[in-house]
Amino acid sequence: SQQGEEDPQALSIQEGENATMNCSYKTSINNLQWYRQNSGRGLVHLILIRSNEREKHSGRLRVTLDTSKKSSSLLITASRAADTASYFCATKDGNNRLAFGKGNQVVVIP
Amino acid sequence: NAGVMQNPRHLVRRRGQEARLRCSPMKGHSHVYWYRQLPEEGLKFMVYLQKENIIDESGMPKERFSAEFPKEGPSILRIQQVVRGDSAAYFCASSPRRGDNTEAFFGQGTRLTVV
Repeated sequence: SQQGEEDPQALSIQEGENATMNCSYKTSINNLQWYRQNSGRGLVHLILIRSNEREKHSGRLRVTLDTSKKSSSLLITASRAADTASYFCATKDGNNRLAFGKGNQVVVIP
Repeated sequence: NAGVMQNPRHLVRRRGQEARLRCSPMKGHSHVYWYRQLPEEGLKFMVYLQKENIIDESGMPKERFSAEFPKEGPSILRIQQVVRGDSAAYFCASSPRRGDNTEAFFGQGTRLTVV
């Protein structure tokens, strides 16, 4: 079964707006990672946040992690048309296995 | 570094044939993961391998599917006697070590179509 579950499933925003998506997980984790997938392509790693971290930034990306609630959020600021993609969270468990959620489809309208 | 290479990118097989999917990890990476993705869905874990060893195959169907990662050469995901339900995108990822805080690098995937 999938470890993470993103919420919402689909998001449509105007260019320049911020996009926020959430992910929840069920078991203990070592880290949580966010990936992007453009249609028909492979996954690109965006950012990794460790279980002892609460917030991390990378360019226009901001990730938070709340281990007490077993949830994470990904914020994309000042979105661009090129940000249109599916975004997946993935958690790494003690067995080094990377388990993915179902993904968020984000559409940025120019 | 060429990144994770998967081939073929597209594979068409008739029902009952065998499908062989290849994955060459990034240089220096000894850990390989295989995932399956159905349309509009997330990635489902299939198998995790280290050179010459299967570490975790809990996501592999019990029959017809097998995977290997030999000492030399690419990792192979083999599907025998394919059925229409095997049609999906199969992604391979590699990482350099078992370490908890290492990211995985993905290939572009192989899209298998069973006709």
